[in-house]
Amino acid sequence: DGGITQSPKYLFRKEGQNVTLSCEQNLNHDAMYWYRQDPGQGLRLIYYSQIVNDFQKGDIAEGYSVSREKKESFPLTVTSAQKNPTAFYLCATGTGGPEQYFGPGTRLTVT
Amino acid sequence: AQSVTQLDSQVPVFEEAPVELRCNYSSSVSVYLFWYVQYPNQGLQLLLKYLSGSTLVKGINGFEAEFNKSQTSFHLRKPSVHISDTAEYFCAVTLIYNQGGKLIFGQGTELSVKP
Repeated sequence: DGGITQSPKYLFRKEGQNVTLSCEQNLNHDAMYWYRQDPGQGLRLIYYSQIVNDFQKGDIAEGYSVSREKKESFPLTVTSAQKNPTAFYLCATGTGGPEQYFGPGTRLTVT
Repeated sequence: AQSVTQLDSQVPVFEEAPVELRCNYSSSVSVYLFWYVQYPNQGLQLLLKYLSGSTLVKGINGFEAEFNKSQTSFHLRKPSVHISDTAEYFCAVTLIYNQGGKLIFGQGTELSVKP
């Protein structure tokens, strides 16, 4: 069954802790993206990767880190430096063209 | 810089009524345009896209959108909505020659269909 998997669906953490969000795909897509969604603000790009072992900062990369060691995986770490980490995080993939395909998302709550 | 504005944050309509969700964009270069739908606590699903060709684009679930280059708009329409269309809708653009395929999203429009 092809698709994009994000786990877990809901994640709770205490302030000051780093947390890693998982994104796995078996679509054989080269490009992968991380977006953050807040109410009334649409989606904002955090990081993206067009190829294994390479990634670029998006518009709101501060307080986040990523790795791309495998084509199938693009984990996002929300560090303690991120001032407002509570949000809905969406992973997407693409073939390098204009279309992107989204995973189901992870809702992170930090208290 | 490119930007996308969705002119209505919330649109309430009655079932079987027509609906239009408005989207305007700002860009000095040519763009591709998209509409996505998001049901509560889920990811985004592509409704339709404009890449080139006919300015009237048909998508899934009976939705269509018209690209108007002179007005820099890409409004989404459906002639008769169903309760199941209740969701949040996002307009997005990407530059035709964009390296990285970055999408720029509008703030979203919450469509609420009432019986």
